[in-house]
Amino acid sequence: DGGITQSPKYLFRKEGQNVTLSCEQNLNHDAMYWYRQDPGQGLRLIYYSQIVNDFQKGDIAEGYSVSREKKESFPLTVTSAQKNPTAFYLCASSGARGQETQYFGPGTRLLVL
Amino acid sequence: GQQLNQSPQSMFIQEGEDVSMNCTSSSIFNTWLWYKQDPGEGPVLLIALYKAGELTSNGRLTAQFGITRKDSFLNISASIPSDVGIYFCAGRYNFNKFYFGSGTKLNVKP
Repeated sequence: DGGITQSPKYLFRKEGQNVTLSCEQNLNHDAMYWYRQDPGQGLRLIYYSQIVNDFQKGDIAEGYSVSREKKESFPLTVTSAQKNPTAFYLCASSGARGQETQYFGPGTRLLVL
Repeated sequence: GQQLNQSPQSMFIQEGEDVSMNCTSSSIFNTWLWYKQDPGEGPVLLIALYKAGELTSNGRLTAQFGITRKDSFLNISASIPSDVGIYFCAGRYNFNKFYFGSGTKLNVKP
């Protein structure tokens, strides 16, 4: 099955804890993205990576970190510095040639205990 | 910075009616995408547009890439209850990141 997988579906974070959200794609896409979605809101870009070992901050990068050591993987860490982490997190990927579409994973819902 | 205005914000229609929604940008794009999102799920790609003036259909859905490259339209004909959801537009210029509209929430009354 080709596509984007995110795990876990639900994640609980305790105060002061770092948590990592997984995103894997087998579409051979160069670019990968992380978005945050709050209830009733649109998508806000956290980080994106257009090539392995390189990534750029999006509009709301504070309190988050990423790595891109492999083409198929782009994990997102929500650090303790992110004071309002409760949200729906969406990973996406696309080709980086200018006319490629962007596909989304099923999302991870992060809740704070 | 880049602004994408999507309208309307929400719609309440009767089953069988046609629906129109649109997105406008402050800058030109060379890719327009339309997605549908169900509650608790990731957005699903409906239609992708790559050329100014392009008109593309996917079943009852039709989308157009505006001639000015600053707007796009999505039409749904003969709506059915499973069309309920949030529709997002997204635009991109060359290798840059994608920009998203704030979504149109569609409600269909049987």
